[in-house]
Amino acid sequence: ELKVEQNPLFLSMQEGKNYTIYCNYSTTSDRLYWYRQDPGKSLESLFVLLSNGAVKQEGRLMASLDTKARLSTLHITAAVHDLSATYFCAVAFTSGTYKYIFGTGTRLKVLA
Amino acid sequence: SAVISQKPSRDICQRGTSLTIQCQVDSQVTMMFWYRQQPGQSLTLIATANQGSEATYESGFVIDKFPISRPNLTFSTLTVSNMSPEDSSIYLCSAGQGQSYEQYFGPGTRLTVT
Repeated sequence: ELKVEQNPLFLSMQEGKNYTIYCNYSTTSDRLYWYRQDPGKSLESLFVLLSNGAVKQEGRLMASLDTKARLSTLHITAAVHDLSATYFCAVAFTSGTYKYIFGTGTRLKVLA
Repeated sequence: SAVISQKPSRDICQRGTSLTIQCQVDSQVTMMFWYRQQPGQSLTLIATANQGSEATYESGFVIDKFPISRPNLTFSTLTVSNMSPEDSSIYLCSAGQGQSYEQYFGPGTRLTVT
């Protein structure tokens, strides 16, 4: 069974602090995506990671992919309130057809 | 990137009726997908909408309940048939394209079944 797990599920952090969200998946894939979702909104693409060792950074967010460990991380540096949202990872699989399986999501709340 | 629109944005429907959701992409795309998202939950893939052939459904979803059409490379519809309150959810259309198969999402359709 294809599984994508994130932890933590909920994260409350103070502004200025650093933290990491983890995304583990159960089978081979070399394509992983991170999304942001604000309440009542659709999903916004943050990062596309296409190979082992890939690292992408945008502002206070940095994502990395380790395909051997089947693990991706989303690191938050010096959090600000505007980063409060739900973050999803999604893993691409080819199983007869190309598809994406989403992680459980991490609800982030940054406290001023 | 692709810009995706969905219609309707929300609807309230009676039990036993059907609703068709439309998804329009502003450019030709290789892949289109339909997801369901319950409030506070993650996204669950319903099916891959294949152009010119039957959709590929995920476990737990069947064509009789969720018929899907994709007549061309920019448009797809999802019908939620014989609705029950358990079908109340947000339905999201997405499109994947490019070498990275980056996925773009529509704004979603919020469905409430009474």
